Amino acid sequence: DIAMTQSPSSLSASVGDRVTITCRASQNINNHLNWYQQKPGKAPKLLIRVATNLQSGVPSRFSGSGFGTTFTLTISTLQPEDFAYYYCQQTYGKPLNFGGGTNLEIK
Amino acid sequence: QVQLVESGGGVVQPGKSLRLSCVASGFTFSDYAMHWVRQAPGKGLEWVAFLSYDGSAEYYPHSMNGRFTISRDNSKNTLHLQMNGLRPEDTAIYYCARDVLQYTDGPTAGCFEYWGQGTLVTVSS
Repeated sequence: DIAMTQSPSSLSASVGDRVTITCRASQNINNHLNWYQQKPGKAPKLLIRVATNLQSGVPSRFSGSGFGTTFTLTISTLQPEDFAYYYCQQTYGKPLNFGGGTNLEIK
Repeated sequence: QVQLVESGGGVVQPGKSLRLSCVASGFTFSDYAMHWVRQAPGKGLEWVAFLSYDGSAEYYPHSMNGRFTISRDNSKNTLHLQMNGLRPEDTAIYYCARDVLQYTDGPTAGCFEYWGQGTLVTVSS
Protein backbone atom coordinates (compact mmCIF):
# COMPACT_ATOMS: atom_id res chain seq x y z
CA ASP A 1 0.00 0.00 0.00
CA ILE A 2 1.06 3.59 -0.65
CA ALA A 3 1.22 5.59 2.57
CA MET A 4 0.48 9.30 2.46
CA THR A 5 2.00 11.58 5.09
CA GLN A 6 0.81 15.14 5.51
CA SER A 7 2.61 17.87 7.37
CA PRO A 8 1.97 19.72 9.48
CA SER A 9 -0.99 17.98 11.09
CA SER A 10 -2.07 21.32 12.51
CA LEU A 11 -1.30 24.87 11.45
CA SER A 12 -2.24 28.23 12.94
CA ALA A 13 -2.25 31.19 10.59
CA SER A 14 -3.78 34.62 10.15
CA VAL A 15 -5.96 36.09 7.43
CA GLY A 16 -3.67 37.30 4.67
CA ASP A 17 -0.92 34.77 5.38
CA ARG A 18 0.59 32.48 2.79
CA VAL A 19 0.50 28.86 3.89
CA THR A 20 1.87 25.63 2.50
CA ILE A 21 0.85 22.08 3.33
CA THR A 22 3.06 19.19 2.31
CA CYS A 23 2.05 15.66 1.35
CA ARG A 24 4.58 12.87 0.89
CA ALA A 25 3.94 9.50 -0.71
CA SER A 26 5.82 6.38 0.34
CA GLN A 27 6.58 5.64 -3.32
CA ASN A 28 6.36 7.35 -6.69
CA ILE A 29 2.80 8.26 -7.63
CA ASN A 30 3.61 10.46 -10.65
CA ASN A 31 1.03 13.25 -10.52
CA HIS A 32 -1.89 11.19 -9.20
CA LEU A 33 -2.42 13.41 -6.19
CA ASN A 34 -5.60 15.23 -5.24
CA TRP A 35 -6.39 17.78 -2.54
CA TYR A 36 -9.67 18.16 -0.67
CA GLN A 37 -10.99 20.74 1.77
CA GLN A 38 -13.42 19.80 4.52
CA LYS A 39 -15.25 22.18 6.82
CA PRO A 40 -16.86 21.03 10.09
CA GLY A 41 -20.04 19.03 9.52
CA LYS A 42 -19.66 19.13 5.76
CA ALA A 43 -18.59 16.73 3.06
CA PRO A 44 -15.11 17.11 1.57
CA LYS A 45 -14.75 19.30 -1.49
CA LEU A 46 -12.31 18.70 -4.33
CA LEU A 47 -9.81 21.55 -4.69
CA ILE A 48 -7.03 20.28 -6.91
CA ARG A 49 -6.65 17.16 -9.03
CA VAL A 50 -3.62 15.54 -10.63
CA ALA A 51 -1.34 17.62 -8.43
CA THR A 52 -1.74 20.98 -10.15
CA ASN A 53 -5.17 21.28 -11.78
CA LEU A 54 -7.48 23.67 -9.97
CA GLN A 55 -11.04 22.39 -9.85
CA SER A 56 -13.63 24.62 -11.50
CA GLY A 57 -14.94 27.27 -9.11
CA VAL A 58 -12.02 27.04 -6.69
CA PRO A 59 -10.37 30.40 -6.06
CA SER A 60 -7.03 31.00 -7.74
CA ARG A 61 -5.33 31.64 -4.38
CA PHE A 62 -5.17 27.84 -4.12
CA SER A 63 -2.42 26.10 -6.03
CA GLY A 64 -0.78 22.71 -6.09
CA SER A 65 2.63 21.51 -7.12
CA GLY A 66 4.80 18.44 -7.06
CA PHE A 67 5.49 15.17 -8.83
CA GLY A 68 6.70 11.78 -7.77
CA THR A 69 6.66 11.63 -3.98
CA THR A 70 6.45 15.20 -2.66
CA PHE A 71 3.54 17.55 -3.19
CA THR A 72 2.41 20.88 -1.81
CA LEU A 73 -0.84 22.78 -1.47
CA THR A 74 -0.36 26.53 -1.20
CA ILE A 75 -2.89 29.15 -0.25
CA SER A 76 -1.42 32.48 -1.31
CA THR A 77 -3.51 34.85 0.80
CA LEU A 78 -5.61 33.22 3.48
CA GLN A 79 -9.25 34.21 3.62
CA PRO A 80 -11.58 33.60 6.59
CA GLU A 81 -13.42 30.86 4.70
CA ASP A 82 -10.19 28.89 4.16
CA PHE A 83 -9.91 27.73 7.77
CA ALA A 84 -10.72 24.03 7.48
CA TYR A 85 -9.22 20.57 7.25
CA TYR A 86 -7.21 19.67 4.17
CA TYR A 87 -6.56 16.15 2.91
CA CYS A 88 -4.34 14.83 0.15
CA GLN A 89 -5.19 11.59 -1.66
CA GLN A 90 -3.27 9.38 -4.03
CA THR A 91 -5.04 7.62 -6.88
CA TYR A 92 -1.97 5.94 -8.38
CA GLY A 93 -2.53 2.58 -6.76
CA LYS A 94 -5.07 0.68 -4.73
CA PRO A 95 -6.08 1.29 -2.00
CA LEU A 96 -6.78 4.98 -2.66
CA ASN A 97 -5.25 6.28 0.54
CA PHE A 98 -5.70 9.71 2.02
CA GLY A 99 -3.22 11.64 4.09
CA GLY A 100 -3.98 12.10 7.76
CA GLY A 101 -5.19 15.66 7.26
CA THR A 102 -4.07 19.15 8.19
CA ASN A 103 -6.16 21.32 10.48
CA LEU A 104 -5.74 24.92 9.38
CA GLU A 105 -6.79 27.11 12.29
CA ILE A 106 -7.10 30.82 12.85
CA LYS A 107 -4.24 32.27 14.89
CA GLN B 1 -26.55 20.52 -10.68
CA VAL B 2 -25.00 17.30 -9.44
CA GLN B 3 -26.64 15.92 -6.31
CA LEU B 4 -25.86 12.81 -4.32
CA VAL B 5 -28.16 11.96 -1.45
CA GLU B 6 -27.30 9.11 0.91
CA SER B 7 -29.71 7.28 3.16
CA GLY B 8 -29.96 4.10 5.21
CA GLY B 9 -27.70 4.95 8.11
CA GLY B 10 -28.68 4.38 11.71
CA VAL B 11 -27.81 2.50 14.88
CA VAL B 12 -27.14 -1.22 14.46
CA GLN B 13 -25.85 -3.93 16.78
CA PRO B 14 -22.47 -5.56 16.20
CA GLY B 15 -22.68 -8.45 13.77
CA LYS B 16 -25.76 -7.13 12.03
CA SER B 17 -26.15 -5.84 8.48
CA LEU B 18 -27.10 -2.52 6.95
CA ARG B 19 -27.68 -1.34 3.39
CA LEU B 20 -26.87 2.22 2.42
CA SER B 21 -28.24 3.95 -0.67
CA CYS B 22 -27.15 6.97 -2.66
CA VAL B 23 -29.51 8.56 -5.17
CA ALA B 24 -27.85 10.60 -7.89
CA SER B 25 -29.24 13.42 -10.00
CA GLY B 26 -28.01 16.18 -12.28
CA PHE B 27 -25.79 13.99 -14.44
CA THR B 28 -25.91 10.77 -16.47
CA PHE B 29 -25.37 8.32 -13.63
CA SER B 30 -24.61 5.36 -15.89
CA ASP B 31 -21.59 7.18 -17.37
CA TYR B 32 -19.61 7.50 -14.14
CA ALA B 33 -17.81 5.30 -11.68
CA MET B 34 -18.80 5.72 -8.06
CA HIS B 35 -17.16 5.31 -4.67
CA TRP B 36 -18.00 5.02 -1.00
CA VAL B 37 -15.78 6.81 1.51
CA ARG B 38 -16.14 6.85 5.28
CA GLN B 39 -15.02 9.03 8.16
CA ALA B 40 -15.00 7.82 11.73
CA PRO B 41 -15.87 10.43 14.36
CA GLY B 42 -13.04 12.93 14.66
CA LYS B 43 -10.89 10.97 12.21
CA GLY B 44 -9.70 11.21 8.62
CA LEU B 45 -11.08 9.89 5.36
CA GLU B 46 -11.00 6.23 4.34
CA TRP B 47 -11.86 4.85 0.91
CA VAL B 48 -14.34 1.98 1.20
CA ALA B 49 -15.34 0.80 -2.26
CA PHE B 50 -15.33 1.50 -6.00
CA LEU B 51 -17.76 0.44 -8.70
CA SER B 52 -17.31 0.99 -12.41
CA TYR B 53 -19.85 2.91 -14.47
CA ASP B 54 -21.50 -0.26 -15.71
CA GLY B 55 -21.16 -2.28 -12.54
CA SER B 56 -18.71 -4.73 -14.08
CA ALA B 57 -15.73 -3.98 -11.86
CA GLU B 58 -15.58 -3.43 -8.12
CA TYR B 59 -12.66 -2.84 -5.78
CA TYR B 60 -12.25 -2.64 -2.03
CA PRO B 61 -9.33 -2.04 0.28
CA HIS B 62 -8.20 -5.19 2.07
CA SER B 63 -9.23 -3.62 5.37
CA MET B 64 -12.91 -4.13 4.49
CA ASN B 65 -12.24 -7.89 4.84
CA GLY B 66 -14.88 -8.90 2.28
CA ARG B 67 -17.77 -7.71 4.48
CA PHE B 68 -18.92 -4.90 2.19
CA THR B 69 -20.47 -5.10 -1.28
CA ILE B 70 -21.02 -2.15 -3.58
CA SER B 71 -23.69 -2.28 -6.28
CA ARG B 72 -25.67 0.03 -8.50
CA ASP B 73 -28.97 0.23 -10.34
CA ASN B 74 -28.43 2.50 -13.31
CA SER B 75 -32.13 2.44 -14.15
CA LYS B 76 -32.83 4.07 -10.78
CA ASN B 77 -29.70 6.26 -10.55
CA THR B 78 -28.90 4.58 -7.28
CA LEU B 79 -25.71 3.28 -5.65
CA HIS B 80 -25.77 0.86 -2.72
CA LEU B 81 -23.39 -0.38 -0.06
CA GLN B 82 -24.32 -3.64 1.64
CA MET B 83 -22.47 -3.92 4.94
CA ASN B 84 -22.45 -7.27 6.75
CA GLY B 85 -20.91 -8.35 10.02
CA LEU B 86 -20.71 -4.79 11.28
CA ARG B 87 -18.19 -3.94 13.99
CA PRO B 88 -17.94 -0.96 16.34
CA GLU B 89 -14.96 0.26 14.32
CA ASP B 90 -17.27 0.62 11.29
CA THR B 91 -18.97 3.53 13.06
CA ALA B 92 -18.58 6.46 10.71
CA ILE B 93 -20.21 8.88 8.34
CA TYR B 94 -20.46 7.15 4.96
CA TYR B 95 -20.23 9.32 1.86
CA CYS B 96 -20.92 8.37 -1.72
CA ALA B 97 -18.77 10.16 -4.27
CA ARG B 98 -18.70 10.43 -8.03
CA ASP B 99 -15.47 9.88 -9.87
CA VAL B 100 -14.31 12.58 -12.26
CA LEU B 101 -13.69 10.01 -14.99
CA GLN B 102 -16.31 8.69 -17.35
CA TYR B 103 -16.43 5.09 -18.53
CA THR B 104 -13.59 3.99 -16.29
CA ASP B 105 -13.40 0.43 -14.98
CA GLY B 106 -10.72 1.04 -12.39
CA PRO B 107 -10.43 3.28 -9.32
CA THR B 108 -7.02 4.73 -10.09
CA ALA B 109 -6.15 7.93 -11.94
CA GLY B 110 -9.40 9.69 -11.03
CA CYS B 111 -10.59 11.70 -8.07
CA PHE B 112 -13.75 12.23 -6.09
CA GLU B 113 -15.35 15.16 -7.86
CA TYR B 114 -18.72 15.28 -6.12
CA TRP B 115 -19.75 14.09 -2.67
CA GLY B 116 -23.04 13.50 -0.92
CA GLN B 117 -23.78 14.92 2.50
CA GLY B 118 -23.16 11.58 4.18
CA THR B 119 -25.15 9.17 6.33
CA LEU B 120 -24.12 8.19 9.86
CA VAL B 121 -23.73 4.55 10.77
CA THR B 122 -23.35 3.73 14.45
CA VAL B 123 -22.48 0.18 15.46
CA SER B 124 -23.20 -0.31 19.11
CA SER B 125 -24.90 -2.78 21.42
